[in-house]
Amino acid sequence: GAVVSQHPSRVICKSGTSVKIECRSLDFQATTMFWYRQFPKQSLMLMATSNEGSKATYEQGVEKDKFLINHASLTLSTLTVTSAHPEDSSFYICSASSTGTFKRNTQYFGPGTRLTVL
Amino acid sequence: AQKITQTQPGMFVQEKEAVTLDCTYDTSDQSYGLFWYKQPSSGEMIFLIYQGSYDEQNATEGRYSLNFQKARKSANLVISASQLGDSAMYFCAMREGKSNTGKLIFGQGTTLQVKP
Repeated sequence: GAVVSQHPSRVICKSGTSVKIECRSLDFQATTMFWYRQFPKQSLMLMATSNEGSKATYEQGVEKDKFLINHASLTLSTLTVTSAHPEDSSFYICSASSTGTFKRNTQYFGPGTRLTVL
Repeated sequence: AQKITQTQPGMFVQEKEAVTLDCTYDTSDQSYGLFWYKQPSSGEMIFLIYQGSYDEQNATEGRYSLNFQKARKSANLVISASQLGDSAMYFCAMREGKSNTGKLIFGQGTTLQVKP
């Protein structure tokens, strides 16, 4: 099946530092990637949608200057949490989909990154 | 605006029995897709099953089937012959439009516990 990886799986950082999370589609070209945030025992909240080579589209209420998203290639998207604070601690999950015939109608998720800001 | 509702925060089922997880949706689009994902304690989201709004037959994938009732706007997940490994959180999601790259809107989730 389609594989999406995320790195790192866990990160602990000090308040005020920036953290970059990578999301890669390993066996297909992801036209579109999505970034979600999830608090414990809650649903996934879509943060932004990114298309390769263009600026990300952020959901209402998500600070684009705080959560920088770059979709540099058809297999890689990055989320950078800038000047992280304890309230940014959360589980961040990416997903990828493709307009091609491969893996139609499905959005595949990475394993997630647990961010803890001290 | 589109909306997904899962009214069962938690469910219990005996091993080897079947269980139905409820999902209702609201959309004004004629074309949409419905998804179910499983999230075990490890956090990964595992795709289970997909139903397109124009699909006439209910989707099935192994022990998973989707009971799609379009007029009632419901897309319940049925898991047959439950296994201990089915214990997890389950999310229903909807994507509006025909594009494969449209965003998903998730329900609140249902935590399923399978008892031995």
